[in-house]
Amino acid sequence: ETGVTQSPTHLIKTRGQQVTLRCSSQSGHNTVSWYQQALGQGPQFIFQYYREEENGRGNFPPRFSGLQFPNYSSELNVNALELDDSALYLCASSVDQGKAAEAFFGQGTRLTVV
Amino acid sequence: GNSVTQMEGPVTLSEEAFLTINCTYTATGYPSLFWYVQYPGEGLQLLLKATKADDKGSNKGFEATYRKETTSFHLEKGSVQVSDSAVYFCALKGANTGNQFYFGTGTSLTVIP
Repeated sequence: ETGVTQSPTHLIKTRGQQVTLRCSSQSGHNTVSWYQQALGQGPQFIFQYYREEENGRGNFPPRFSGLQFPNYSSELNVNALELDDSALYLCASSVDQGKAAEAFFGQGTRLTVV
Repeated sequence: GNSVTQMEGPVTLSEEAFLTINCTYTATGYPSLFWYVQYPGEGLQLLLKATKADDKGSNKGFEATYRKETTSFHLEKGSVQVSDSAVYFCALKGANTGNQFYFGTGTSLTVIP
């Protein structure tokens, strides 16, 4: 059983650019979520996808968008990058959305916006 | 709404010392509670969880009890090791919030030999 994998591990972008981060969910998991973790903070929920549809979103603007593919891989897209978007972006997958279901996290993508 | 408040760190302990990291929560309904650990340069790993009041989660010598009356889920370990040095996050997941976790700000633990 493979875990959650994310790519790339590190990325440097210029303010105003666009970025795409990728995630491969754990086998058999149909729900994927994305979190932003600023330095020294806890992860903040961006959104989640279930069966290729977004079905939950945190307090993030529309320039944060995503996709989930039939093989349960996922992308996070951020347009018009701002300096405050610099953070560790975590992908998490779960076997379902029940309140007891744990999330399995990838190692994250460290995004630096300059 | 849902939120988690965690004791601030950093915490520095000597090896074999007793560890407590406090966590309290506010939630609508009856959430599940989790402790995740993040080692340097890595993502989060589940340490333990509890899904209803008075449940005790335990793993690798760590324990936490879901206390509804005090809305708390404090993490404890009787004897810490150097390898326990990491950042610990308390989190909750509500009954109707899908897969959304609400995390505390994290507590950094350093164990010195």
